[in-house]
Amino acid sequence: EAGVAQSPRYKIIEKRQSVAFWCNPISGHATLYWYQQILGQGPKLLIQFQNNGVVDDSQLPKDRFSAERLKGVDSTLKIQPAKLEDSAVYLCASSLVGVAYEQYFGPGTRLTVT
Amino acid sequence: RKEVEQDPGPFNVPEGATVAFNCTYSNSASQSFFWYRQDCRKEPKLLMSVYSSGNEDGRFTAQLNRASQYISLLIRDSKLSDSATYLCVVNSVSGGYNKLIFGAGTRLAVHP
Repeated sequence: EAGVAQSPRYKIIEKRQSVAFWCNPISGHATLYWYQQILGQGPKLLIQFQNNGVVDDSQLPKDRFSAERLKGVDSTLKIQPAKLEDSAVYLCASSLVGVAYEQYFGPGTRLTVT
Repeated sequence: RKEVEQDPGPFNVPEGATVAFNCTYSNSASQSFFWYRQDCRKEPKLLMSVYSSGNEDGRFTAQLNRASQYISLLIRDSKLSDSATYLCVVNSVSGGYNKLIFGAGTRLAVHP
């Protein structure tokens, strides 16, 4: 079974630039999550989708971050404009509905903002 | 106060040692708890669930004390391959949906 796919794996941008990350979840997983993991910290949930609807975006900095999952399958997360403090690994995860504890994570995108 | 707190370590132990990690959580309404493992520069993976009665999976034992809001993970007979960061995770219900709250992790380094 294919795992969660993410791209790109690494990205270096300058502050005030824009960046987008892509995620394709495990087939059949209706719930998709985007996390931010800053070095030395645990993953922090940014946004959670169930199918193509947002169920939790309480920790998403909406002035600069946006995410969509238009067809209920793959998803994109965008940052515009980026700040230095956005440097982190952005992890995408997916799970079956109702099985939030067993999330399967992708390899992540390591973002460096200079 | 953080929702999930862990000792960051690192714990440096020799092969064969027994090591224990602790975790506390702040939301007394939390219902389910887990340990995830994260290898260096890799993604987190579910290690095991934590039940009130305690549960064991090979060399790993997890315990939950609801009264103290305390979770533990015990690793016996440590192997080099156990070197990783162990994330304490609490399931929180928000708006009818489950979401995971991760601690910052405890780093374990097992040496020969």
